[in-house]
Amino acid sequence: QVQLQESGPGLVRPSETLSLTCSVSEGSMTNTYWNWIRQPPGKGLEWIGYVYDTESAKYNPSLKSRVTISLDTSRSQFSLILHSVIAADTALYYCARFEPPYHFDSWGPGTLVTVSS
Amino acid sequence: DIRMTQSPSSLSASVGDRVTLTCRASQSIGTFLSWYQQKPGKAPKVLIYGASILKSGVPSRFSGSGSGTDFTLTISSLQPEDFTTYYCQQSSRTPWTFGQGTKVEIK
Repeated sequence: QVQLQESGPGLVRPSETLSLTCSVSEGSMTNTYWNWIRQPPGKGLEWIGYVYDTESAKYNPSLKSRVTISLDTSRSQFSLILHSVIAADTALYYCARFEPPYHFDSWGPGTLVTVSS
Repeated sequence: DIRMTQSPSSLSASVGDRVTLTCRASQSIGTFLSWYQQKPGKAPKVLIYGASILKSGVPSRFSGSGSGTDFTLTISSLQPEDFTTYYCQQSSRTPWTFGQGTKVEIK
């Protein structure tokens, strides 16, 4: 069973850039949808976007202008960049694999990112 | 975006009870519907996908049904470890969206 692990700063200042990495323990990273999902404290889940292979990405329109997800197969990692963060971006950020037939079958434990000055 | 609405938002039940959680999509999603269980401080875990397919390793007391816009998750006999929060999620079209969750509490 593949294992995922998020890493990155736990505190980001408003208007700055949030950057997280997800390390994938084993298996090929090609032909798979690698996702970021977030959950504000005490609230529900929001899909941020995915990267598929190295050149295909799709984002939630609510964040599209600020987000980039990229894949580095040589390091078995994929990354999230979110620009111009605000307090509402404070959340537990999860990386997850999306597999046919169409469900998130593996998740990282999550990493809390707080946006505050 | 496809809006997913779960009901109820919370329910109280006892060990051994049969409970049914409902999820409604704002437009038809076929059977592109998954159910997740999330315990406090943990990542969600998939229980059901394809609306009715039980994920390997998930107890058979969990079952799912529905297609189109209306879906249900049934727990046939609640166990102590089942008192937590459940989310539905559609993967018919992006942006993939989740319901707001149903919290199952001990009566």
